Order: sequence, then structure tokens, then C-alpha cells
Amino acid sequence: RKEVEQDPGPFNVPEGATVAFNCTYSNSASQSFFWYRQDCRKEPKLLMSVYSSGNEDGRFTAQLNRASQYISLLIRDSKLSDSATYLCVVNDGGSYIPTFGRGTSLIVHP
Amino acid sequence: DGGITQSPKYLFRKEGQNVTLSCEQNLNHDAMYWYRQDPGQGLRLIYYSQIVNDFQKGDIAEGYSVSREKKESFPLTVTSAQKNPTAFYLCASSVRTGAGELFFGEGSRLTVL
Repeated sequence: RKEVEQDPGPFNVPEGATVAFNCTYSNSASQSFFWYRQDCRKEPKLLMSVYSSGNEDGRFTAQLNRASQYISLLIRDSKLSDSATYLCVVNDGGSYIPTFGRGTSLIVHP
Repeated sequence: DGGITQSPKYLFRKEGQNVTLSCEQNLNHDAMYWYRQDPGQGLRLIYYSQIVNDFQKGDIAEGYSVSREKKESFPLTVTSAQKNPTAFYLCASSVRTGAGELFFGEGSRLTVL
């Protein structure tokens, strides 16, 4: 299966900081991209889809770079409640089956 | 309330015993998936089903079996052939494969003693 790679972190940042995560994917035919959030010992939940033109949802901005085959997630003005693991998900271009990265751990401290 | 229900939430079993994890959805989704997550790891695909009476192996299907006799149900059996079954098992569904958001159940945590 094609790979989805993420830096596992942890990223340890103070409240109010801006933090960015990247995720690279190997299948150039990949069609759709997502960021999920997973709290400790819980199920993942959709944070946002990633569109070709980039998209923003409040403090969160997602970008897609098809040429370099990566997606990114930017979190501005970090809150304590943003502490979680952020999973990159790529839908394989052939089978359309979601493939998950290992996740990036974010710890926001006071 | 629409959603996915997994049971049991916690399960302890002795080595060599088969275990069946339940997954039921009332979202009218065609596609269903089983993932396994180990500590500090991402989700790895065990099996998926695109439609009733059809299912396909994922990346780590050895030692597992599934059935999809009803649209709303996709149980997973962890057999004694699975060498390291202790893990967090997550069931998910989507409208169809490749159709955007995955909806997850709360997971089943299996510990084999």
C-alpha cells in the first residue's frame, strides 16, 4: 500500500503559538485528503477536509501541494484544548480506501 | 441519533480463543471498515466492505475474518491465528468508499492475556 508519512512529534508549544504540521503521501493519484483529530484513547474525528485551493476553518488552515505531494495543517493561537494527535488521511486514487498517517502529537502548555 | 456502535468497549481473552467484535451503524452507509491501532501508531486497515455481501482484505488481514450479511452490521472476528491481537480496534463507515468523511465508533480495546 502507498505510504502516508507524518512527523510523530511531539510538538510542545505554549498557548497562543502558531504550529504547523506536514504530511507527505507517495501515491500521486490520490484524490482526497483530510485531517482528523484523535484525543487520547478515543476515536478519530474529522477536523477538516483539504481542498486544492486551500481552506480555513477558524484558527485552522489546511493546504495541499500536489506537485510536492504533501498537505499541511496550520493552527494559529493554540489553545490548551488543541492538545491531541492529528492524523493525516489520504484516499488512495485507485481503490479510494482511506490511508492514515501515524499521527503528529501536539501538546499545548500554559 | 445516527452513528456507529461498537461493542464491547473493553474485552479480555485468553490466548488461543476467538473473539468477535460487533459494529453496527444506522447511517445507511454502504462502506464499512475495520482498523487496528497500536500504541503510538496510526490506523492500519484490516478489512473493508463496499457493499452488502462483499468485503476485501486490507493491509493486515491475516488472523482476522469478517462478514457483511446486513448493510448495518460488519462484525470482526479475531482468531487464534492472529499472533499479536492486543490492540485498539476501530470500526468506521462512509457513504461509499472514497466519499469523504469517515465516521468512527468509540472503539473496542482487546487485551489478550
